[in-house]
Formats: sequence, structure tokens, C-alpha cells
Amino acid sequence: DAGVTQSPTHLIKTRGQQVTLRCSPKSGHDTVSWYQQALGQGPQFIFQYYEEEERQRGNFPDRFSGHQFPNYSSELNVNALLLGDSALYLCASSRPRVFAQSLTQYFGPGTRLTVL
Amino acid sequence: SQQGEEDPQALSIQEGENATMNCSYKTSINNLQWYRQNSGRGLVHLILIRSNEREKHSGRLRVTLDTSKKSSSLLITASRAADTASYFCAPLMLTQGGSEKLVFGKGTKLTVNP
Repeated sequence: DAGVTQSPTHLIKTRGQQVTLRCSPKSGHDTVSWYQQALGQGPQFIFQYYEEEERQRGNFPDRFSGHQFPNYSSELNVNALLLGDSALYLCASSRPRVFAQSLTQYFGPGTRLTVL
Repeated sequence: SQQGEEDPQALSIQEGENATMNCSYKTSINNLQWYRQNSGRGLVHLILIRSNEREKHSGRLRVTLDTSKKSSSLLITASRAADTASYFCAPLMLTQGGSEKLVFGKGTKLTVNP
């Protein structure tokens, strides 16, 4: 059973460009959350998707947007990249709340984004 | 801030010793999860403790939770060099919108010397 997968592993962009990161959740998981982790910091919650809708958003500007597909996979889009967007972007998936007494979130390996 | 805050920020011990990391948080939680991260890679889930539990064990890991003090601790017994990593506590909060999110601190960087 594959865990959470993310692509690409690494990405280098220049300021002003746009980027799309992808995430496939664990089998049986329908909820996907995205986190940004700057160097030396803990992960910061960006948003969560469930049933193809954004349910909750952290303190991130509208340049950060996402999408969830019917197969529960998800994309994170960042427009007008800034140097400060350089970070490790982590995707986490969890089981449907009706089945999940624990609401454990399982993380993927992350995408390392570098903005030059 | 709603962060989970870990203490100490860095910890260096010898192989075989025990390592204790503490965590404090500020809001009501559904549960609290501990994660491990090696060198900027993905987070590995270690253990979850529910808000109505006080202690939980998993192998060499022991987690405690005191909701009255809004604090938790992670104990790693008989540490090994392979335990060298950053450790994060992440309180999980349920939001009014029906979602759930983890809030992380900066973590504790543990170094186990052979």
C-alpha cells in the first residue's frame, strides 16, 4: 500500500513565475492538507481539501490556491512567486472522519521549492 | 500564536541515554501527535495521544499529556544514533468549518552521539 506521494521532489523557479505541486493521498484517505516548512521552522498549515472543496485556510495570501480531484489527489498552486516562498511543501492525508477516531495525518516526502 | 512549542530547541545525548522533549500549546485540542523529521525530509508519524488519555507507549517511546497544563512530553528510552532527527509535537485542532489542522512549533533537534 503506497503512502502519500508528492511530485516533483525538487523544483527551481524564478521570481514572478507560477508553480504547481502535486499530491496523491494514501489509499482510503479522502482529506488532503498542505503545509509549508521554511528552513529551520516547523510546518505551517496552508489549507485543507475535502470533497473537492477547500474547508479551512491558514494565514497565506490568495497567491496560494489549490484543487482536489475526484480521486482525492490534490494540487497546490502558487502564483507570482517570491523569494520567501522557498520552502519544503508537505502534503498530508487522513481518513474520512466517520471512520477515523484518531484523525492521524500522514505526510508525504515533500517538494523542495527554490525561488531564485 | 497557536503553535505547539517544543523545549528544548536542541538536545545532545550519548547513545543509550534517555531523551525527553517537552511541548506546550495554547488552545483546546482533539489530540496531540508527535512526528519525526530527518534532514528536511517528510514527517514520520510517531504516536498520537487523545485528549482523554494521559499516557501512551509505543516501543521505546512514551508520551504523556496534561490537558490542564496544556503540555505534553515525549520520552525516548535507550536512544540510538539512528534516533538523531528533529522531533515535532503537533496539537490537532478541530475548526468550526469541520476541518482539522495540526499546528507545529519549531521542533527539538535531537543528536545522539555514538
